[in-house]
Amino acid sequence: DAGVIQSPRHEVTEMGQEVTLRCKPISGHNSLFWYRQTMMRGLELLIYFNNNVPIDDSGMPEDRFSAKMPNASFSTLKIQPSEPRDSAVYFCASSRRTSGGPGELFFGEGSRLTVL
Amino acid sequence: DAKTTQPPSMDCAEGRAANLPCNHSTISGNEYVYWYRQIHSQGPQYIIHGLKNNETNEMASLIITEDRKSSTLILPHATLRDTAVYYCIVTFQGAQKLVFGQGTRLTINP
Repeated sequence: DAGVIQSPRHEVTEMGQEVTLRCKPISGHNSLFWYRQTMMRGLELLIYFNNNVPIDDSGMPEDRFSAKMPNASFSTLKIQPSEPRDSAVYFCASSRRTSGGPGELFFGEGSRLTVL
Repeated sequence: DAKTTQPPSMDCAEGRAANLPCNHSTISGNEYVYWYRQIHSQGPQYIIHGLKNNETNEMASLIITEDRKSSTLILPHATLRDTAVYYCIVTFQGAQKLVFGQGTRLTINP
């Protein structure tokens, strides 16, 4: 079975450029999460969706960040304009949420972003 | 969600059991204990979770104390591939998200 698929795996861009990260969740999963990981701040939850609807975006750093989930099989995280402090590994995860909790999260391999 | 406390790092010899502690003294009755691990440069991987009873699966065992204020993840026969950061997370039954702390960096030595 295909896991969570993220693209690109690596992105190097210059400050001020727009960055779009993509995620394809596991088929049948109804929750999708975007995390960011840096050495200083660890693994931070940015936003999550249930049934394609954004539920909590309180972790999104600022207005430069936006996320969409137009359908159950695709999500994007966009940074515009990008800044050097956005350099991090961005992980997408999906789960089949039940009434018992968030369920087991399956993570993608991450997108490593470097903003020069 | 209850706060968790884990040692920042631990070492274990290959082939021995690795016992990773987690303190969650403020846990409430309907909060689960989840364990994930992150091998270098990969996404976190689910290991196990439990509420009250001890749990075991093909990867590990989870021992939760009777008062539920602490737990221990046990890797029965650690291998070099178990070197990773291990995260203990406490979250409500109806929670919709998982918030990761700093975890324990476990190093398995040959």
